[in-house]
Amino acid sequence: GAVVSQHPSRVICKSGTSVKIECRSLDFQATTMFWYRQFPKQSLMLMATSNEGSKATYEQGVEKDKFLINHASLTLSTLTVTSAHPEDSSFYICSATDRGAGGYEQYFGPGTRLTVT
Amino acid sequence: AQSVTQLDSHVSVSEGTPVLLRCNYSSSYSPSLFWYVQHPNKGLQLLLKYTSAATLVKGINGFEAEFKKSETSFHLTKPSAHMSDAAEYFCVVTLYNAGNMLTFGGGTRLMVKP
Repeated sequence: GAVVSQHPSRVICKSGTSVKIECRSLDFQATTMFWYRQFPKQSLMLMATSNEGSKATYEQGVEKDKFLINHASLTLSTLTVTSAHPEDSSFYICSATDRGAGGYEQYFGPGTRLTVT
Repeated sequence: AQSVTQLDSHVSVSEGTPVLLRCNYSSSYSPSLFWYVQHPNKGLQLLLKYTSAATLVKGINGFEAEFKKSETSFHLTKPSAHMSDAAEYFCVVTLYNAGNMLTFGGGTRLMVKP
């Protein structure tokens, strides 16, 4: 149980275009979903926290107009990178907490590799 | 506030020898602590977790970690390394009253030599 999926696993886009990444909890309802960014050979950096039906809370230094997060249901959150630039190239990982299990452990998706050319 | 320090960015061991990955944390309250493993271009897999029960925690793939409050440490160990253990390891801390926010250590890359 407690599986989180991400789609796509890899995406290449041109500079100036927008890219949407989906994060789904497959067998549980997610109280909260988190979005992380990971640069090569570095640790994960929390970008934002989102609760179903409410606005996401962004970490300091993360542009909310650049990284749009929508958490429309208890099993789906999306991250849209708007007007992508090469510096947005990174590994994006989402996680979710299980509402039914008390919601303190985060389950991670497999990540999405974004390359902006 | 909470923080996590992984003392070694790289650890190299020979196959069949013990593994020790060090982690120290700082927390104002009783934390929950996790170790995750990440293989190249993959997501994170939970190895084990400490949530205020037994201080010696056994995880998957033969890993275990001991929570030592007096030393504010949560070191990860394995008696005998396997080639498949080569990966990046993250020590993570969270607090119940921190909205499930995780604080990640910088990571330790484990290399296993044949």
